[in-house]
Parts: sequence; structure tokens; C-alpha cells
Amino acid sequence: DTAVSQTPKYLVTQMGNDKSIKCEQNLGHDTMYWYKQDSKKFLKIMFSYNNKELIINETVPNRFSPKSPDKAHLNLHINSLELGDSAVYFCASSQVAANTEAFFGQGTRLTVV
Amino acid sequence: RKEVEQDPGPFNVPEGATVAFNCTYSNSASQSFFWYRQDCRKEPKLLMSVYSSGNEDGRFTAQLNRASQYISLLIRDSKLSDSATYLCVVSSSRDGSARQLTFGSGTQLTVLP
Repeated sequence: DTAVSQTPKYLVTQMGNDKSIKCEQNLGHDTMYWYKQDSKKFLKIMFSYNNKELIINETVPNRFSPKSPDKAHLNLHINSLELGDSAVYFCASSQVAANTEAFFGQGTRLTVV
Repeated sequence: RKEVEQDPGPFNVPEGATVAFNCTYSNSASQSFFWYRQDCRKEPKLLMSVYSSGNEDGRFTAQLNRASQYISLLIRDSKLSDSATYLCVVSSSRDGSARQLTFGSGTQLTVLP
């Protein structure tokens, strides 16, 4: 069984469109994350959410918004897509306890044309 | 200054070589430390946690120096299959809120036959 699954794996869309990426974890974790990996391969946190608190990286444009219907899901909505949004987006989950690893989904490769 | 800084690499080493990666972090309140491995076009996966006393897992040895805010990873007898990007990861809470994992930019390792 896949621990952290995100869909779609690939997403090609035009500038200006609105799109969503879904993420689900079946590990019973209480914290979920979204990371962006750009063309330089640098992984940068966008959001962390533990069903009590949403922490937003202040550098993330407000066109990006996380939606969590329940503890097992954290979806990413992106409005008015721009060329610079092209990247690989990774969802991850962990327990809030300090010394526990995070598990990642396989990533969504977003290409904005 | 970046929160987590790593050797830029790339490292190209022959099979059987010993290679060391270094990492420094800026947040002295950081609580947990990890090394992740990321293969090309794949998600990051935990390689090993890093403990204050240092820890070893087969050919891999991780060290942590909290006073110097420095983490290292040593790979002995490197194999072709060790070729990947190695990510230094630091876990910390901002102002007592939910913790976040901050990734270094990664060091690319290629083991040559």
C-alpha cells in the first residue's frame, strides 16, 4: 500500500488556469506538508499543516492555497498559474513528535505552458 | 544565510572510495537531524537519522556537532548504487508551533565504475 499518494503524477496546463493536486496519506500522521522542487533541485517548504495550525511560508504567493478536508488529506490549489510555477511538487507527512521522519509522495511534475 | 547549507558538489568518486558530505544549519534551536537520499526524478527518502552521539548504519556514518551546528555523512566503500543526491535535513519549530523540515540544497554523488 502506498503510504503517501499524490495525483496527478504529471500535469501540463496553460498559463492562467486553476489546478489542484491531491494528496492522501494512510500512515495516521498528524502533520502534512507541501514542498516545491524547482529546476535547480532545491526543495523548499510551502506549507505545513497539522489540523490545528497552518504554517505558510511567507514567500509563497497567495495564488497557492492548501485545503485539508481531514487529517489524511492535504490538497494544493493553484490559481492563475504562471510559467514560474513549473516545478515538481511533493506532498509529505510525519508525526509532530520531533525525531520522526517524513514520508514523501512520488511528486507531481507541473508544467505551465 | 540559508537555514541549511551543504557542500555544493557534485562529487564524482570511483567505486570503493570513501566520501564525506558536510552540512551546517543556522537555527540553534533545531531539534532533529536527518540525511535523505533522492534518486533522479524520485521522491526523497530517509537514509538515516543523525544523533548527537553519532550513529552508523552499515557503510554509512552520521555525525552531529550541536556546538558547531554541523552535520556530516560518511560513506565508506562506495557502490554504484550510492549515486544519488544526498539531502541534509533539519527539523525545527518556529516559535513553538508545528515543526518543519528544512532541506539543504543537496549534494550530488556519482560513483564511477
